[in-house]
Amino acid sequence: GEDVEQSLFLSVREGDSSVINCTYTDSSSTYLYWYKQEPGAGLQLLTYIFSNMDMKQDQRLTVLLNKKDKHLSLRIADTQTGDSAIYFCAEIPPISNFGNEKLTFGTGTRLTIIP
Amino acid sequence: EAGVVQSPRYKIIEKKQPVAFWCNPISGHNTLYWYLQNLGQGPELLIRYENEEAVDDSQLPKDRFSAERLKGVDSTLKIQPAELGDSAVYLCASSAGTSAEAFFGQGTRLTVV
Repeated sequence: GEDVEQSLFLSVREGDSSVINCTYTDSSSTYLYWYKQEPGAGLQLLTYIFSNMDMKQDQRLTVLLNKKDKHLSLRIADTQTGDSAIYFCAEIPPISNFGNEKLTFGTGTRLTIIP
Repeated sequence: EAGVVQSPRYKIIEKKQPVAFWCNPISGHNTLYWYLQNLGQGPELLIRYENEEAVDDSQLPKDRFSAERLKGVDSTLKIQPAELGDSAVYLCASSAGTSAEAFFGQGTRLTVV
Protein backbone atom coordinates (compact mmCIF):
# COMPACT_ATOMS: atom_id res chain seq x y z
CA GLY A 1 0.00 0.00 0.00
CA GLU A 2 0.97 3.62 -0.18
CA ASP A 3 3.08 5.09 2.60
CA VAL A 4 3.34 8.52 4.17
CA GLU A 5 6.92 9.35 3.26
CA GLN A 6 9.56 11.42 5.00
CA SER A 7 13.31 11.68 4.74
CA LEU A 8 14.92 9.88 7.65
CA PHE A 9 17.51 12.40 8.83
CA LEU A 10 18.04 16.16 8.96
CA SER A 11 20.92 18.04 10.56
CA VAL A 12 20.67 21.77 11.19
CA ARG A 13 22.90 24.30 12.92
CA GLU A 14 21.55 25.87 16.06
CA GLY A 15 19.79 29.11 15.23
CA ASP A 16 19.06 28.15 11.62
CA SER A 17 15.66 27.12 10.30
CA SER A 18 14.72 23.45 9.94
CA VAL A 19 12.42 22.28 7.19
CA ILE A 20 10.97 18.80 7.47
CA ASN A 21 9.11 17.46 4.47
CA CYS A 22 6.39 14.86 4.07
CA THR A 23 4.47 13.36 1.18
CA TYR A 24 1.10 11.98 2.20
CA THR A 25 -1.16 9.52 0.46
CA ASP A 26 -4.73 10.71 0.30
CA SER A 27 -5.49 14.04 -1.34
CA SER A 28 -8.89 14.07 0.36
CA SER A 29 -7.49 13.85 3.88
CA THR A 30 -9.15 16.57 5.88
CA TYR A 31 -6.52 17.07 8.55
CA LEU A 32 -2.75 16.71 8.48
CA TYR A 33 -0.62 16.65 11.59
CA TRP A 34 2.90 17.00 12.90
CA TYR A 35 4.05 15.09 15.97
CA LYS A 36 7.27 15.27 17.96
CA GLN A 37 8.85 12.30 19.70
CA GLU A 38 11.71 12.97 22.09
CA PRO A 39 13.99 10.13 23.21
CA GLY A 40 12.19 7.73 25.50
CA ALA A 41 8.94 9.65 25.28
CA GLY A 42 5.59 9.22 23.64
CA LEU A 43 4.39 11.29 20.73
CA GLN A 44 3.30 14.86 21.27
CA LEU A 45 0.97 16.64 18.88
CA LEU A 46 2.75 19.82 17.72
CA THR A 47 0.37 21.32 15.23
CA TYR A 48 -2.12 20.48 12.53
CA ILE A 49 -3.55 22.07 9.42
CA PHE A 50 -6.91 21.82 7.74
CA SER A 51 -6.79 20.79 4.11
CA ASN A 52 -8.47 24.03 2.98
CA MET A 53 -5.48 26.01 4.26
CA ASP A 54 -2.14 26.60 2.54
CA MET A 55 -0.24 27.74 5.57
CA LYS A 56 -0.48 27.85 9.33
CA GLN A 57 1.89 29.62 11.68
CA ASP A 58 2.21 28.95 15.38
CA GLN A 59 5.08 30.77 17.10
CA ARG A 60 8.29 29.20 15.68
CA LEU A 61 6.39 26.60 13.67
CA THR A 62 5.11 27.12 10.14
CA VAL A 63 3.19 24.43 8.29
CA LEU A 64 2.90 24.59 4.51
CA LEU A 65 0.48 22.44 2.55
CA ASN A 66 0.51 21.78 -1.18
CA LYS A 67 -2.60 19.71 -1.84
CA LYS A 68 -1.90 19.33 -5.53
CA ASP A 69 1.40 17.59 -4.85
CA LYS A 70 0.23 16.05 -1.53
CA HIS A 71 3.21 17.68 0.12
CA LEU A 72 3.37 18.90 3.70
CA SER A 73 6.26 20.67 5.38
CA LEU A 74 7.12 21.83 8.87
CA ARG A 75 9.47 24.77 9.30
CA ILE A 76 11.02 25.39 12.71
CA ALA A 77 12.51 28.86 12.98
CA ASP A 78 15.55 29.57 15.16
CA THR A 79 16.15 25.87 15.83
CA GLN A 80 17.26 25.11 19.38
CA THR A 81 18.88 22.07 20.99
CA GLY A 82 15.54 21.22 22.58
CA ASP A 83 14.13 20.71 19.11
CA SER A 84 16.21 17.54 18.72
CA ALA A 85 13.68 14.78 18.24
CA ILE A 86 11.94 12.64 15.66
CA TYR A 87 9.16 14.42 13.80
CA PHE A 88 6.26 12.50 12.30
CA CYS A 89 3.69 13.73 9.87
CA ALA A 90 0.33 11.99 9.98
CA GLU A 91 -2.99 12.01 8.20
CA ILE A 92 -6.46 10.76 8.85
CA PRO A 93 -7.96 9.60 5.58
CA PRO A 94 -11.60 10.58 5.13
CA ILE A 95 -14.11 8.90 7.38
CA SER A 96 -15.91 6.35 5.26
CA ASN A 97 -18.22 5.38 8.03
CA PHE A 98 -18.68 6.41 11.60
CA GLY A 99 -15.79 5.67 13.88
CA ASN A 100 -13.50 4.53 11.09
CA GLU A 101 -10.95 7.31 11.44
CA LYS A 102 -7.41 5.97 11.65
CA LEU A 103 -4.27 8.03 12.12
CA THR A 104 -1.57 7.04 9.64
CA PHE A 105 1.97 8.10 10.48
CA GLY A 106 4.97 8.72 8.30
CA THR A 107 8.30 7.05 8.92
CA GLY A 108 9.64 9.99 10.91
CA THR A 109 12.53 12.44 10.42
CA ARG A 110 15.26 12.53 13.03
CA LEU A 111 16.31 16.16 13.53
CA THR A 112 19.82 16.67 14.90
CA ILE A 113 20.99 20.09 16.01
CA ILE A 114 24.62 20.98 15.38
CA PRO A 115 26.02 23.41 18.00
CA GLU B 1 -2.75 15.84 35.83
CA ALA B 2 -1.30 12.38 35.23
CA GLY B 3 -0.74 11.41 31.63
CA VAL B 4 -1.06 8.02 30.03
CA VAL B 5 0.88 5.57 32.17
CA GLN B 6 2.39 2.41 30.75
CA SER B 7 4.30 -0.37 32.42
CA PRO B 8 6.77 -1.82 32.28
CA ARG B 9 9.02 0.65 30.46
CA TYR B 10 11.34 -2.09 29.30
CA LYS B 11 10.93 -5.83 28.96
CA ILE B 12 13.37 -8.47 27.77
CA ILE B 13 12.06 -11.97 27.23
CA GLU B 14 13.08 -15.11 25.44
CA LYS B 15 11.22 -16.09 22.32
CA LYS B 16 8.18 -18.29 22.81
CA GLN B 17 7.53 -16.76 26.23
CA PRO B 18 4.38 -14.76 26.99
CA VAL B 19 4.47 -11.05 27.80
CA ALA B 20 1.89 -8.50 28.88
CA PHE B 21 1.83 -4.72 28.80
CA TRP B 22 -0.38 -2.51 30.89
CA CYS B 23 -1.85 0.90 30.18
CA ASN B 24 -3.70 3.35 32.38
CA PRO B 25 -5.29 6.07 30.23
CA ILE B 26 -6.05 9.62 31.21
CA SER B 27 -9.09 9.77 33.45
CA GLY B 28 -12.26 10.34 31.48
CA HIS B 29 -10.82 9.33 28.11
CA ASN B 30 -13.19 6.84 26.53
CA THR B 31 -10.99 5.95 23.59
CA LEU B 32 -7.84 3.91 24.07
CA TYR B 33 -5.32 2.87 21.43
CA TRP B 34 -2.47 0.43 21.25
CA TYR B 35 0.20 1.20 18.65
CA LEU B 36 3.22 -0.76 17.52
CA GLN B 37 6.35 1.22 16.65
CA ASN B 38 9.16 -0.64 14.96
CA LEU B 39 12.62 0.86 14.95
CA GLY B 40 12.87 3.66 12.43
CA GLN B 41 9.14 3.59 11.70
CA GLY B 42 6.07 5.51 12.66
CA PRO B 43 3.49 4.00 14.98
CA GLU B 44 0.93 1.63 13.50
CA LEU B 45 -2.44 1.07 15.09
CA LEU B 46 -3.01 -2.37 16.58
CA ILE B 47 -6.35 -1.89 18.27
CA ARG B 48 -8.73 0.87 19.28
CA TYR B 49 -11.24 0.73 22.11
CA GLU B 50 -14.30 2.83 22.67
CA ASN B 51 -14.96 2.24 26.36
CA GLU B 52 -14.68 -1.53 26.72
CA GLU B 53 -15.48 -2.35 23.11
CA ALA B 54 -12.78 -3.07 20.56
CA VAL B 55 -14.03 -1.09 17.55
CA ASP B 56 -10.99 -1.58 15.31
CA ASP B 57 -8.73 -4.59 15.74
CA SER B 58 -8.13 -5.23 12.06
CA GLN B 59 -4.35 -4.82 12.42
CA LEU B 60 -4.00 -7.00 15.52
CA PRO B 61 -2.35 -10.38 14.75
CA LYS B 62 -4.93 -12.43 16.53
CA ASP B 63 -3.04 -15.68 16.44
CA ARG B 64 -0.65 -14.45 19.12
CA PHE B 65 -1.84 -11.03 20.24
CA SER B 66 -4.78 -10.30 22.50
CA ALA B 67 -6.01 -7.24 24.32
CA GLU B 68 -8.65 -6.38 26.81
CA ARG B 69 -10.04 -3.30 28.44
CA LEU B 70 -12.11 -4.38 31.37
CA LYS B 71 -14.50 -1.79 32.77
CA GLY B 72 -13.48 0.59 30.01
CA VAL B 73 -10.48 2.00 31.88
CA ASP B 74 -7.14 0.17 32.07
CA SER B 75 -6.03 -2.06 29.26
CA THR B 76 -3.60 -4.91 28.80
CA LEU B 77 -1.97 -6.12 25.60
CA LYS B 78 -0.63 -9.65 25.57
CA ILE B 79 1.62 -11.58 23.23
CA GLN B 80 1.77 -15.35 23.51
CA PRO B 81 4.10 -16.72 22.36
CA ALA B 82 6.49 -13.88 21.55
CA GLU B 83 8.64 -14.01 18.43
CA LEU B 84 11.90 -12.26 17.61
CA GLY B 85 10.07 -9.97 15.20
CA ASP B 86 7.87 -8.65 18.01
CA SER B 87 10.77 -6.59 19.33
CA ALA B 88 9.49 -3.03 19.16
CA VAL B 89 8.00 -0.23 21.22
CA TYR B 90 4.35 -0.66 22.17
CA LEU B 91 2.60 2.66 22.66
CA CYS B 92 -0.66 3.25 24.41
CA ALA B 93 -2.68 6.40 23.84
CA SER B 94 -6.00 7.73 25.01
CA SER B 95 -8.36 10.39 23.73
CA ALA B 96 -11.56 12.15 24.61
CA GLY B 97 -11.98 13.11 20.96
CA THR B 98 -10.40 12.06 17.70
CA SER B 99 -7.30 9.92 17.36
CA ALA B 100 -5.24 12.97 16.45
CA GLU B 101 -6.07 14.50 19.82
CA ALA B 102 -4.78 11.45 21.66
CA PHE B 103 -2.18 11.65 24.39
CA PHE B 104 0.55 9.05 24.22
CA GLY B 105 2.30 7.15 26.96
CA GLN B 106 6.06 6.67 27.02
CA GLY B 107 5.74 3.18 25.62
CA THR B 108 7.07 -0.24 26.54
CA ARG B 109 10.21 -1.30 24.73
CA LEU B 110 10.09 -5.03 24.18
CA THR B 111 13.18 -7.02 23.27
CA VAL B 112 12.73 -10.66 22.35
CA VAL B 113 15.94 -12.70 22.41
